[in-house]
Amino acid sequence: DGGITQSPKYLFRKEGQNVTLSCEQNLNHDAMYWYRQDPGQGLRLIYYSQIVNDFQKGDIAEGYSVSREKKESFPLTVTSAQKNPTAFYLCASRRSNTGELFFGEGSRLTVL
Amino acid sequence: GESVGLHLPTLSVQEGDNSIINCAYSNSASDYFIWYKQESGKGPQFIIDIRSNMDKRQGQRVTVLLNKTVKHLSLQIAATQPGDSAVYFCAETGWGTGGFKTIFGAGTRLFVKA
Repeated sequence: DGGITQSPKYLFRKEGQNVTLSCEQNLNHDAMYWYRQDPGQGLRLIYYSQIVNDFQKGDIAEGYSVSREKKESFPLTVTSAQKNPTAFYLCASRRSNTGELFFGEGSRLTVL
Repeated sequence: GESVGLHLPTLSVQEGDNSIINCAYSNSASDYFIWYKQESGKGPQFIIDIRSNMDKRQGQRVTVLLNKTVKHLSLQIAATQPGDSAVYFCAETGWGTGGFKTIFGAGTRLFVKA
């Protein structure tokens, strides 16, 4: 099946630790995106990448980092600098000729 | 599953009735406007889109209306079913500094009463 795979689905982290969320796609899409979702709010853009080896900050990039070494993969690292990291994280890729995003099932991060 | 959007605006409709979900957008230069449906604990799924040069588009049981004069978007769901219960997001997309971005609205939770 073609799609977006995020892992892990649930993750617990102690304060001060970095954690990396995985996102893999086999849709052959060039562009990939990371969003954060909090209760009562919509999706906020963290980072995005239009092509391999290139990425841009979104609206809430502070405390996060990404890499795009392969077309299929766009991992997100939540660093200890992120003050309130507990949230639901969503990865997506975009069909090139439209704006349609294809989302993974999400990763829920809880900081203990 | 986990719930999202605990404090979102809520629309409650009776099964079989029509639903109308509204959205205001901000960027008049956006190319596409898209509606997504998000069920509890899952990622959003595409429902329907409309290009900025159109004012209406119909799909199966859904219609999207675009009013560029007042920057307003609406999603109409005909004969609403219990399976339509979810959070609905509008999104505006287009090229800007740094590339192609999609910005989401706050969302509306739809409850369908059987």
